[in-house]
Amino acid sequence: DTEVTQTPKHLVMGMTNKKSLKCEQHMGHRAMYWYKQKAKKPPELMFVYSYEKLSINESVPSRFSPECPNSSLLNLHLHALQPEDSALYLCASSPTPEPEKLFFGSGTQLSVL
Amino acid sequence: GESVGLHLPTLSVQEGDNSIINCAYSNSASDYFIWYKQESGKGPQFIIDIRSNMDKRQGQRVTVLLNKTVKHLSLQIAATQPGDSAVYFCAEILGGGSQGNLIFGKGTKLSVKP
Repeated sequence: DTEVTQTPKHLVMGMTNKKSLKCEQHMGHRAMYWYKQKAKKPPELMFVYSYEKLSINESVPSRFSPECPNSSLLNLHLHALQPEDSALYLCASSPTPEPEKLFFGSGTQLSVL
Repeated sequence: GESVGLHLPTLSVQEGDNSIINCAYSNSASDYFIWYKQESGKGPQFIIDIRSNMDKRQGQRVTVLLNKTVKHLSLQIAATQPGDSAVYFCAEILGGGSQGNLIFGKGTKLSVKP
């Protein structure tokens, strides 16, 4: 299995809702990432988990809360989002945090109304 | 066809022609470079990488060239096919950095005309 699986593929939520994005990989990778991508822009790093511990938080607002329950799973909990948070949220993994290729999921397209 | 990356975000080529996508990277201390392809509705997909101790690396139908003197990276696609239509991102990592230091370029959209 060489895939990173993200669910749901699409999500519409109101500003008062609480929702979660899920990411799963079974490649034995020990580093996992959340990226945010606006239309026609490159991905922007949000969080890095290294060996199930949060190692990088790129000054992301607290309405985004990451969680890594185990080495295969990564969640992103969403609460009280703003319309400008609408974007494609990408999960990625790599064997280690060292520089090498990333394996990306297909993303969750999020719309905040 | 040839693009200049940041200054020409769209490249249109005829099927069967060779494509050249250029990227000017930002930091002379970067020592690892990657090209990703992103098709509509999908996440980025790894194409090829190169480390700073190399000038050229070849894959299947793709070649990456690195010119450290002018901080320039290019991706050459031979015999471009309709399936190559996508946005292509170059990315760099600073020497001694981790994946958290990965910096994406702005991207170039490649359109292949049948």
